[in-house]
Amino acid sequence: KNQVEQSPQSLIILEGKNCTLQCNYTVSPFSNLRWYKQDTGRGPVSLTIMTFSENTKSNGRYTATLDADTKQSSLHITASQLSDSASYICVVITTGANNLFFGTGTRLTVIP
Amino acid sequence: GAGVSQSPSNKVTEKGKDVELRCDPISGHTALYWYRQRLGQGLEFLIYFQGNSAPDKSGLPSDRFSAERTGESVSTLTIQRTQQEDSAVYLCASSLWGADYGYTFGSGTRLTVV
Repeated sequence: KNQVEQSPQSLIILEGKNCTLQCNYTVSPFSNLRWYKQDTGRGPVSLTIMTFSENTKSNGRYTATLDADTKQSSLHITASQLSDSASYICVVITTGANNLFFGTGTRLTVIP
Repeated sequence: GAGVSQSPSNKVTEKGKDVELRCDPISGHTALYWYRQRLGQGLEFLIYFQGNSAPDKSGLPSDRFSAERTGESVSTLTIQRTQQEDSAVYLCASSLWGADYGYTFGSGTRLTVV
């Protein structure tokens, strides 16, 4: 069964600190994995896209890793800011049609 | 347009009424998806359109839900005889065909059934 699991479900950190969000998946066949940020009341916005051959990809303070062998990905946020407070959703894409599988997200709250 | 546009952004309706939600995808995007997101929960697939192919309706929760799309343009999601459990954010996403292309989401329509 194609599943995407994220942990933790929620996380509270102090401004300026780092954090790491986890995503484990059983989706097959794998095409690529994406991390999205969803602010309250808004649609998800893409942060990173990772294909099978990529292990690490950075986008500013966001760094995503992918281990296709263990089917795990992480999103590391460095020097967190209050504006990082949002839900972070892991999406795994298979080949073919209607091919998006969503995790339920990690709710991150950054406090001053 | 530059992004995926959804309207209305908010809709409050009385139980039993019909509602129609609209999605304008990015011009040229052949694939269009509708998702439902209940408060505090993940995205739930509803329906998928790809070009002129028959849509994948496997996610529609009941026959009160229907969606249409003309060619590769605007899509409308219709909910008939709304129920309180229909209250959610309805998100639309579009993409070019092929898994390597980006999927862009709209900001959603927040539906509240009272």
